[in-house]
Amino acid sequence: QVQFVQSGTEVKKPGASVKVSCKASGYSFDSYALHWVRQAPGQRLEWMGWINAGNGYTKYSQNFQGRVTITRDPFASTGYMELASLRSEDTAVYYCARSEYDGSGYATKKHLDFWGRGTLVAVSS
Amino acid sequence: EIVLTQSPGTLSLSPGERATLSCRASQSVSSIYLAWYQQRPGQAPRLLLYGASHRATDIPDRFSGSGSGTDFTLTISRLEPEDFAVYFCLQYRSSRTFGQGTKVEMK
Repeated sequence: QVQFVQSGTEVKKPGASVKVSCKASGYSFDSYALHWVRQAPGQRLEWMGWINAGNGYTKYSQNFQGRVTITRDPFASTGYMELASLRSEDTAVYYCARSEYDGSGYATKKHLDFWGRGTLVAVSS
Repeated sequence: EIVLTQSPGTLSLSPGERATLSCRASQSVSSIYLAWYQQRPGQAPRLLLYGASHRATDIPDRFSGSGSGTDFTLTISRLEPEDFAVYFCLQYRSSRTFGQGTKVEMK
């Protein structure tokens, strides 16, 4: 069955960076896009971006452009999300999730089917 | 950005009752680009429906969805104990945005 195992809780100071991992199993890793979504306390979910797990192409939300980097290691079936210049508002649970590609290898207009359980990132001085 | 507004915020019902949840979009998302999810505390979100009305694999038929354009509904025909959870909608026509969620709690 499709599963994602995410890395553990992180506590960071403002200005630092954090890198969260998401190890996939139960499917062919490079055949699906990997997305990152976050949820701050009391807020709705917020989509951050996605990566083509096969060729490494990325697309980021404008809200995070320049601060987020999504990468993957196809040999380890693992995706990564790095967020820089952390501030207290970045305190949230960060999820990875999967979607299909369209016929051109993009994840445009595709729903997210399987999700990880999330990683808490707390930013505090 | 397409804003999704879910109502009600909380629904207090008893097992066996029918639950009707609404998701309204600030602009049309067609009937193709709307999904519903269930989330229980500490668990991964679970896809229930995509394309507004298509049940995901292994989702019981007590879950159904309808709507098009800007107004969508998730209906749980008879609540089971495991259905008490938070439900949220996702539009994926233009980037991706989420509703704020509806909590279905036991009365």
